[in-house]
Amino acid sequence: EDQVTQSPEALRLQEGESSSLNCSYTVSGLRGLFWYRQDPGKGPEFLFTLYSAGEEKEKERLKATLTKKESFLHITAPKPEDSATYLCAVAGGTSYGKLTFGQGTILTVHP
Amino acid sequence: NAGVTQTPKFQVLKTGQSMTLQCAQDMNHNSMYWYRQDPGMGLRLIYYSASEGTTDKGEVPNGYNVSRLNKREFSLRLESAAPSQTSVYFCASTLTGPSDTQYFGPGTRLTVL
Repeated sequence: EDQVTQSPEALRLQEGESSSLNCSYTVSGLRGLFWYRQDPGKGPEFLFTLYSAGEEKEKERLKATLTKKESFLHITAPKPEDSATYLCAVAGGTSYGKLTFGQGTILTVHP
Repeated sequence: NAGVTQTPKFQVLKTGQSMTLQCAQDMNHNSMYWYRQDPGMGLRLIYYSASEGTTDKGEVPNGYNVSRLNKREFSLRLESAAPSQTSVYFCASTLTGPSDTQYFGPGTRLTVL
């Protein structure tokens, strides 16, 4: 069974204070690791897909990296508008059509 | 493109009532999914449809039925609502399979009294 664990559950940062969110996973035959952002009362918004260990992707202040056991979402010089819940999910080779999600990290960035 | 749309946005039901949640996508995607999101539980897959004419159970299918009406539309039905089905429901779609990005709708917040 695929499993995803995100840490920390909540993270409070000052504006400009860089940090990282962790996503540890167990999956049979990784077909993709996905990062989403979710604002209160809204649906998850796609950020990145990573397919193989060593892969990195960047978008503005966010950078996602992938190893064989975990993924990191690095946030550089965050702003208050980066405050949201960040979700990690995996698609495994034996679970066609199913994404397994972690419980998310609630990020709050104070001005 | 509207992407993935869901109706209604909010709904309150009494125990035992039935209702259908509607989902439509205009991205010509083949696969569609229904998830529920509960505090502390994350997003969990209820049912999915890999292609028009097919549906399969996900992690938490009990108490739900689905219909893939056509390529665009995928509905979720609660035949006899229970308080345990109080949740936020999200529909998602993807072009082909699990390696492709799933795009989510805005959600339906359902309360069962």
